[in-house]
Amino acid sequence: GQQVMQIPQYQHVQEGEDFTTYCNSSTTLSNIQWYKQRPGGHPVFLIQLVKSGEVKKQKRLTFQFGEAKKNSSLHITATQTTDVGTYFCAGPRIGNQFYFGTGTSLTVIP
Amino acid sequence: NAGVTQTPKFQVLKTGQSMTLQCAQDMNHNSMYWYRQDPGMGLRLIYYSASEGTTDKGEVPNGYNVSRLNKREFSLRLESAAPSQTSVYFCASSKAGAVDTQYFGPGTRLTVL
Repeated sequence: GQQVMQIPQYQHVQEGEDFTTYCNSSTTLSNIQWYKQRPGGHPVFLIQLVKSGEVKKQKRLTFQFGEAKKNSSLHITATQTTDVGTYFCAGPRIGNQFYFGTGTSLTVIP
Repeated sequence: NAGVTQTPKFQVLKTGQSMTLQCAQDMNHNSMYWYRQDPGMGLRLIYYSASEGTTDKGEVPNGYNVSRLNKREFSLRLESAAPSQTSVYFCASSKAGAVDTQYFGPGTRLTVL
């Protein structure tokens, strides 16, 4: 089945440093979504990318969708302690299947 | 609006016991989902319901059954719990459309001894 691979699994950064997580698929994706899960919480939708080469920004977060629509990235500029959590990408629902990436757990050291 | 609610929040079972996890949403969404989350495995889809009266198996359905009772409620049943089913279970719902955003419940932390 469709698999969405995500790297790295863990990332520790000093507060103020940048952070990037990458999502890769072996197949072309019609769209990709990003979610954030705070420690002990539940996933919360951040954004959906649809177009090839699309770039969207939400304050310090920049989301990109690759030209071939097989990869995506989330970049956080100047991390803050409020950015702590796990970031997941998710491919589109195909029939009754919906795949999330394995997630990147971000720790921000004050 | 409460969004997506789940009960219970925590549960400890012994091997072989059964239980039902309850989920309800008040957003008038058509689609509902059950996921399990294990360390290093991300979120894996157990069952999916596109609309009232329909259910489909996801990636990891073995050992589970579901019921879409009505448009609001989608329950997950473990008939004979096993230690491998120790996990955090999330219910989610979505409107289904151009942007199929999933809204998640707070989760149920289940331990099977």
